[in-house]
Amino acid sequence: EDKVVQSPLSLVVHEGDTVTLNCSYEVTNFRSLLWYKQEKKAPTFLFMLTSSGIEKKSGRLSSILDKKELFSILNITATQTGDSAIYLCAVPSGGSGGSNYKLTFGKGTLLTVNP
Amino acid sequence: DTEVTQTPKHLVMGMTNKKSLKCEQHMGHRAMYWYKQKAKKPPELMFVYSYEKLSINESVPSRFSPECPNSSLLNLHLHALQPEDSALYLCASSPRFGGNLVPELFFGEGSRLTVL
Repeated sequence: EDKVVQSPLSLVVHEGDTVTLNCSYEVTNFRSLLWYKQEKKAPTFLFMLTSSGIEKKSGRLSSILDKKELFSILNITATQTGDSAIYLCAVPSGGSGGSNYKLTFGKGTLLTVNP
Repeated sequence: DTEVTQTPKHLVMGMTNKKSLKCEQHMGHRAMYWYKQKAKKPPELMFVYSYEKLSINESVPSRFSPECPNSSLLNLHLHALQPEDSALYLCASSPRFGGNLVPELFFGEGSRLTVL
């Protein structure tokens, strides 16, 4: 069974701190890994990673994938209170005939940034 | 603002009621999804529609009945639900589904359902 494990499950920091969120996975026929940010409601897409060692960056957020060790990290520098959210990691899995139809999500990391 | 719109945002219903959740997207996406998310848990896939045809049913009980009237609309009809069905129901869309394409999903804000 495909698995996505995130750590820590929750994290409390102060504004300005840097945080690192972890996601490890076990899936057959790995293709990519996705990060989502979920505030009160809809998850919003952050990154999709397909290649090892290539950092993706968007403002203060960055992410990298290690396909050998089967994990990804999401870094947030100079955190702000608006970064408070659940960060979800997901990996396409399942499906027949090689199609990865299902996103298997990790349980998420609840990040709280205090002023 | 999300480009996937869900209504209603909140719904309270009794176990004998019949209600529907609605989802709309105008991004030209040809795949639409229903996910269910319980508190403090990740989203779980329920159904996938591709080109308005039901492609995946993740063994969802028949009291949940999806419908895709056209490429922009997705409904979830609810009947005889149980209190444990209370959850956030998320609709999502993606440009396509299947093959070697990774489903980059665009989510709606969800409909929070409470079953009394």
